Amino acid sequence: EAQVTQNPRYLITVTGKKLTVTCSQNMNHEYMSWYRQDPGLGLRQIYYSMNVEVTDKGDVPEGYKVSRKEKRNFPLILESPSPNQTSLYFCASSFRGAGAAGANVLTFGAGSRLTVL
Amino acid sequence: QKEVEQDPGPLSVPEGAIVSLNCTYSNSAFQYFMWYRQYSRKGPELLMYTYSSGNKEDGRFTAQVDKSSKYISLFIRDSQPSDSATYLCATSSGSARQLTFGSGTQLTVLP
Repeated sequence: EAQVTQNPRYLITVTGKKLTVTCSQNMNHEYMSWYRQDPGLGLRQIYYSMNVEVTDKGDVPEGYKVSRKEKRNFPLILESPSPNQTSLYFCASSFRGAGAAGANVLTFGAGSRLTVL
Repeated sequence: QKEVEQDPGPLSVPEGAIVSLNCTYSNSAFQYFMWYRQYSRKGPELLMYTYSSGNKEDGRFTAQVDKSSKYISLFIRDSQPSDSATYLCATSSGSARQLTFGSGTQLTVLP
């Protein structure tokens, strides 16, 4: 089954304790991205990757890091989490081969709900 | 001002009603218009996709884009309880890097 898999799905942590949210896709997609979803603010892009070793900041990158060492994986790293990073996080991927039309067709993971105390 | 504005609702309708969901946008460079549907505790999934102005129909769903007024609409005919979800409009001027989402409208269809 074609899918984007995120882990963990739920996490409660404390301020300053480094954590990583993993994301893996099995569709050989070039584009991968991370979003956070907050009430009233919708989905906001954190980081974006066009391909292996190519990443770019999104709209809200502060406090986050990413890496793209393999095409299928795109982990999100919170080096020193703070309470304002409490949110619902989504990883998404899309296929470059169909041009701009296809690149906008995102496949999302099921989400990772993070609480930072 | 947000680039894409969407009424958050919540919107509650009886089964069988026609539902109209709307977004406005400010960037005239947007050419690609999408509606994603998000069920509770799930990730969004693409529902409708249109390029430039015009209408697109898929079963009970119709997506409409009016670029002159920068207005995006999604119509759901004969709404069903299974349509209860949050609907997110999204726009892009090109690549997925530039995809911008509305804040979502929560819809409940009552049996």
